[in-house]
Amino acid sequence: SQTIHQWPATLVQPVGSPLSLECTVEGTSNPNLYWYRQAAGRGLQLLFYSVGIGQISSEVPQNLSASRPQDRQFILSSKKLLLSDSGFYLCAWSVTAAYQPQHFGDGTRLSIL
Amino acid sequence: TQLLEQSPQFLSIQEGENLTVYCNSSSVFSSLQWYRQEPGEGPVLLVTVVTGGEVKKLKRLTFQFGDARKDSSLHITAAQPGDTGLYLCAGLNSNSGYALNFGKGTSLLVTP
Repeated sequence: SQTIHQWPATLVQPVGSPLSLECTVEGTSNPNLYWYRQAAGRGLQLLFYSVGIGQISSEVPQNLSASRPQDRQFILSSKKLLLSDSGFYLCAWSVTAAYQPQHFGDGTRLSIL
Repeated sequence: TQLLEQSPQFLSIQEGENLTVYCNSSSVFSSLQWYRQEPGEGPVLLVTVVTGGEVKKLKRLTFQFGDARKDSSLHITAAQPGDTGLYLCAGLNSNSGYALNFGKGTSLLVTP
């Protein structure tokens, strides 16, 4: 069966520090991968998606970047965090087809001080 | 961007009551999905509706897709405390690698 791992679960970082969140998927090949951010108790905003290794598309201009160095690995990064980067970050995967569900990790709660 | 509006934003009811939450858009979607999310966890898919007018039932939950495929509703019969959570509707964004556009969600609290 397929599983998705996301870490760390929680992170507290000072303003201006770098960031690296990692997401890995097991049990499937060539998945579509996604990073979302969720404000407290609200909907999800798509940040990045990837349809293959090295292929990254950004949905919103921001202080963050994403990379996909391996087929089932998706990394969210920042060189210098801002207060506005606080939030709940969710990684997800899906197969490359319409009407298919997205499978989410358990998220990373990022707090910027 | 295809926007999805969910209502109500918050709903607090007692166990045994019925409720309906709505998801509306001015755009046509090829499909809509409903997810349920618990605090500190990722959303989990409840259902996908594809055909206009489609009705799907999942135990006490009934999902309907509007005839014009611009709206959907979720009806819960005899709500239970275990139904508590954030209910999110999401439409397929065909321009973003099958990513989803999410509504802001309906936060449901069912008290015993």
